[in-house]
Amino acid sequence: DQQVKQNSPSLSVQEGRISILNCDYTNSMFDYFLWYKKYPAEGPTFLISISSIKDKNEDGRFTVFLNKSAKHLSLHIVPSQPGDSAVYFCAASDGALNFGKGTSLLVTP
Amino acid sequence: DTAVSQTPKYLVTQMGNDKSIKCEQNLGHDTMYWYKQDSKKFLKIMFSYNNKELIINETVPNRFSPKSPDKAHLNLHINSLELGDSAVYFCASSQGHQETQYFGPGTRLLVL
Repeated sequence: DQQVKQNSPSLSVQEGRISILNCDYTNSMFDYFLWYKKYPAEGPTFLISISSIKDKNEDGRFTVFLNKSAKHLSLHIVPSQPGDSAVYFCAASDGALNFGKGTSLLVTP
Repeated sequence: DTAVSQTPKYLVTQMGNDKSIKCEQNLGHDTMYWYKQDSKKFLKIMFSYNNKELIINETVPNRFSPKSPDKAHLNLHINSLELGDSAVYFCASSQGHQETQYFGPGTRLLVL
């Protein structure tokens, strides 16, 4: 049973607009959340993280929001660029990393 | 100067063979991991290891064994390979058990 779920397998966004990737989790013991980006034939690359004591963390064009009561987090990318096209994995940690299935983002010119 | 490297990148082998995948990290991290990404694209932890502790995911068959000659290396040995072992295997490392993990490029294993 997956404890971390990314219910949208794919997302297409126009360049310059906002991309919003969503992630839900079931385990209330998770205390650290991460987003990874993965290009084909490469390993996942760390993007941004957030601790459970925060509700927002921002790094340049990337912002992660955490809603603990809803057990939901989201990644916002603004403005989206064609180079952002990749698979994005949400991960949650209770000491071990638990990954979602990934959302494939396509940013079109 | 790759932070986490794996060899080989591709591995094609016959059922029943024994094979190893090597992983090296030059980040000075003290914890290393092996993950399996199956055909459904789920990334699942197999092992985590530091100098003091090996944590094994109980669903991993004992045909899989991690071996760490030193802090910078964690190799994965697989005995009696089966068709279902075909997957992409990722090595990762972190500084401490609950810190951000950095991944290698993956090893694509195909068992025929």
